[in-house]
Amino acid sequence: NAGVTQTPKFQVLKTGQSMTLQCAQDMNHNSMYWYRQDPGMGLRLIYYSASEGTTDKGEVPNGYNVSRLNKREFSLRLESAAPSQTSVYFCATRKGQPQHFGDGTRLSIL
Amino acid sequence: GESVGLHLPTLSVQEGDNSIINCAYSNSASDYFIWYKQESGKGPQFIIDIRSNMDKRQGQRVTVLLNKTVKHLSLQIAATQPGDSAVYFCAERTSYDKVIFGPGTSLSVIP
Repeated sequence: NAGVTQTPKFQVLKTGQSMTLQCAQDMNHNSMYWYRQDPGMGLRLIYYSASEGTTDKGEVPNGYNVSRLNKREFSLRLESAAPSQTSVYFCATRKGQPQHFGDGTRLSIL
Repeated sequence: GESVGLHLPTLSVQEGDNSIINCAYSNSASDYFIWYKQESGKGPQFIIDIRSNMDKRQGQRVTVLLNKTVKHLSLQIAATQPGDSAVYFCAERTSYDKVIFGPGTSLSVIP
């Protein structure tokens, strides 16, 4: 039982490049979330999906897009990466409470 | 605006002592609170939660206290062990799908 799997684990991009972060869960949870974590800060919600076919903006959605491909998968896309998007990105899922997190994607944009 | 904050960004404790990590929240409508532990290179892991209709909840070596009067949450870890060294986050649920995280407290256990 893998839980929440994020790919890739690490990525370095150049400014302006595009990238899709993948998240897959095998827990049959309805809700999925994307957060970013910056040094010395808590997690900030980028986008979430309450169920297959629906997505909503969180606190910091600018510069990102998401796709809820099916119940298992929720992807996060950076169309034109900027240095300010250097961060650790976490995917989480939930059915009831609490959320369950993946181990993150560490993204650096040069 | 809404916020969840921690009084102490870092905490060092002697192995075997009890640890107390504090958290202040600002949204009186929050109905559910969670503590997470995050080890280096890992995602946050659930430790314990408490609903707003409770004042105290105990787990294995951990206790969460909720004081709604002063909007304060604390996590107590009994007999702290080296494996407890991590960053601890409190989080509050302000609506069904919205959870706000605090900035985290780094706990360092001295052997």
